[in-house]
Order: sequence, then structure tokens, then C-alpha cells
Amino acid sequence: AAGVIQSPRHLIKEKRETATLKCYPIPRHDTVYWYQQGPGQDPQFLISFYEKMQSDKGSIPDRFSAQQFSDYHSELNMSSLELGDSALYFCASSLDLSGANVLTFGAGSRLTVL
Amino acid sequence: GNSVTQMEGPVTLSEEAFLTINCTYTATGYPSLFWYVQYPGEGLQLLLKATKADDKGSNKGFEATYRKETTSFHLEKGSVQVSDSAVYFCALSSSASKIIFGSGTRLSIRP
Repeated sequence: AAGVIQSPRHLIKEKRETATLKCYPIPRHDTVYWYQQGPGQDPQFLISFYEKMQSDKGSIPDRFSAQQFSDYHSELNMSSLELGDSALYFCASSLDLSGANVLTFGAGSRLTVL
Repeated sequence: GNSVTQMEGPVTLSEEAFLTINCTYTATGYPSLFWYVQYPGEGLQLLLKATKADDKGSNKGFEATYRKETTSFHLEKGSVQVSDSAVYFCALSSSASKIIFGSGTRLSIRP
């Protein structure tokens, strides 16, 4: 079965550079979520989109922005990167916003900021 | 606000031992409860879920029962295997929009 696809899987950037992560949800899933997981930490919710509109916002820095496109894929843009941004970034998708719906996670994009 | 508190790790057990990982939650309304598992170097995978009080979620020999009276969703397995070594996250979703995770419990199983 098709899963959530994230790219790139690994990314190395310098401080103050920008990075873009992409997420392709499961077909027919219209809701996308972004999470950040630091080393040894639990995943922290960043932002979510439903039907191409932002549905909720968590602890996402102002330096980060995201959007969902007409084909439902999403991109997370990170600017002025800091060392502390080094983390595993997960995208998840679900079918609509029902709290009972299971989130299916991608394998993650590992960002390393040097 | 909503939150999840789970047993701190790491937890180390011998193969075939009984496993319990405690999880309690604070939430308004009637949340759905989940256990996710993260194997080394991989993403989060749903292990099991329960959407209402007294529901029991089960998968791969793991079970958890939604206890509203004690606001708990403890994960249990009767006989663990080395392949169960992973980080386990208890989580809840009480509204549209997001899942809130607990801090994770690292489980290591000795052969």
C-alpha cells in the first residue's frame, strides 16, 4: 500500500542557510501534519493543513513556513537555519480532521545543521 | 491543556518477560488514544488504538485498554521478543488537527 513519502531523507545545511522538505501524503488523504523530533525527544507538533488551508499551529518557529498544494503535497520551508534545528522532521497524513483518524507517518527527513 | 504522561525508560527485559508500559492522560472531552512504535532509524508506526472508553486495542500481541475512570491506556504484552526493542509513544487526539505524544519509553529486550 502507498505510504507517506518524504524527501529528502537526509539533508545537511550550514547555519543561516535555508532548507525545504517535501511530503507526499497517502492518496485521498487531505490532511497533512508536520512534526519535529529532536534527539531523544518526543515528536513535537509544528503545523497541519486540511484541504490546503492551515488547520492548526504548534511550536513552529517564525523562521519556518509551510503550505499544502493543490495536489495535497506539502512543503516545509526553513530559513536562517540554526544548530538547534537539527532534528528528524516527520510528515503524517490522515483522511480528514477527525480525531479518531489514524495518522500515518512518513519515514522522516533528517536535517543536520552544521 | 491536553497532555500525555508515560513511564520513563529505558526499560530492559529478558525475552519472554511480561511487559507493562504505563500511560496516563489529561484531556477535555473524549480523546482517542494511541500507541505508536519507533524502531531504530525508522518513522513512527501505529501499534494500536482505542477510540472510546473500555475499548481494547490490540496488535502483534500488544494490548491496551482505554480506562476513562483512571485516565489510563497502559500497554501490555505477555511475552516480549528481541524484535520488540524500540521506542514506544503513547498519544492522544481529542480534536481535529493533531496528535499529542508522550515522551516515549525505550524498550530493550535481552535474548
